[in-house]
Amino acid sequence: GQQLNQSPQSMFIQEGEDVSMNCTSSSIFNTWLWYKQDPGEGPVLLIALYKAGELTSNGRLTAQFGITRKDSFLNISASIPSDVGIYFCAGQLLEYGNKLVFGAGTILRVKS
Amino acid sequence: ETGVTQTPRHLVMGMTNKKSLKCEQHLGHNAMYWYKQSAKKPLELMFVYNFKEQTENNSVPSRFSPECPNSSHLFLHLHTLQPEDSALYLCASSLYSGRAPTGELFFGEGSRLTVL
Repeated sequence: GQQLNQSPQSMFIQEGEDVSMNCTSSSIFNTWLWYKQDPGEGPVLLIALYKAGELTSNGRLTAQFGITRKDSFLNISASIPSDVGIYFCAGQLLEYGNKLVFGAGTILRVKS
Repeated sequence: ETGVTQTPRHLVMGMTNKKSLKCEQHLGHNAMYWYKQSAKKPLELMFVYNFKEQTENNSVPSRFSPECPNSSHLFLHLHTLQPEDSALYLCASSLYSGRAPTGELFFGEGSRLTVL
């Protein structure tokens, strides 16, 4: 079945640092999405990408849909304490009924 | 206010109990989902309902029984669960785009289930 390899598993960074995480797969996807889950909450959509090569920003967040359609990355610039949480990538392929496949998540901790 | 409300937020039950989880959305969405979230594992899709019809049952054991009386409400009935079923159960909803639901899911806050 389709699997997403998300890395790193966790990060512990200093406030103000930039953060980078990525997702790769052996399958191709026609949509990539990034979600964030705050402690005790459900995941919230951050960015959705619909075209290979697409680069999209949402405030300090920037995500890209890889040209091969098999990967995506998320960057966070100038991290702040409220960036703490779990970040999930998700891929979607129309041929599979648009079922979402999730990565295992990247746990982000920020030292202030 | 996320637009998707789940109750209860926490549930402790014995293996012989029968309980239900409830999800409600007021976003006008027509697809609803149950996901299971266990520590350090990807979100596991359990069930999908599109326009009140179940379109996905991801090999979920029969001790989990979903019910979707209308496009705004979704239930997960629980019966004779096992301790390994302890997890966070997330409900989500989305719109349809063309012939399939979009990946832009709106999640509830989850129901934390502990099976003793």
